Amino acid sequence: EADIYQTPRYLVIGTGKKITLECSQTMGHDKMYWYQQDPGMELHLIHYSYGVNSTEKGDLSSESTVSRIRTEHFPLTLESARPSHTSQYLCASRAGGAGRPDTQYFGPGTRLTVL
Amino acid sequence: KNQVEQSPQSLIILEGKNCTLQCNYTVSPFSNLRWYKQDTGRGPVSLTIMTFSENTKSNGRYTATLDADTKQSSLHITASQLSDSASYICVVSDRGSTLGRLYFGRGTQLTVWP
Repeated sequence: EADIYQTPRYLVIGTGKKITLECSQTMGHDKMYWYQQDPGMELHLIHYSYGVNSTEKGDLSSESTVSRIRTEHFPLTLESARPSHTSQYLCASRAGGAGRPDTQYFGPGTRLTVL
Repeated sequence: KNQVEQSPQSLIILEGKNCTLQCNYTVSPFSNLRWYKQDTGRGPVSLTIMTFSENTKSNGRYTATLDADTKQSSLHITASQLSDSASYICVVSDRGSTLGRLYFGRGTQLTVWP
């Protein structure tokens, strides 16, 4: 069982609200990731981090922002939520350097619905 | 076009039966291939991981195979159980970046009936 947590698990909010999705891991992993997944579709990388104070945008353009002030914590923020942001958001982390086939461990996900 | 294609898209089998899920990929240069199981409303959980030199890997009733020449992988599930009902995702990693970029398939939705 992976020690990576996401809160909240489910969130229903109105358009225009600011929200923060929390992700934390206790495995000491340097690399952390945020993915967006729609039903029946593949996961799309929206943000990643190599370590503290390192954040990069992923392949899928997203209006969300992330921060990495502590190794274990990688929150995702939407300043003004819209219905198009409705999706499942998955956080993941992994250890190891380049070339090592280390597994990415996923959190349980946050199901976001914007009305 | 997605660089990882899975088939079938969905599959229904009876409890106790075996099944095989397929994954074809075009990712290059290839680093490793993983199979994940994702229960509804949960995050994916790793089942197996195979590098270029490995052509089979087992994890209990799950056996994954890899043919790096044809760029195909399969996941065989034996003696299926109701708890096997989930989406099975094939994930391929490339060697082209320090990120170890991951390419995700859309998954095969497996339903096991009693």
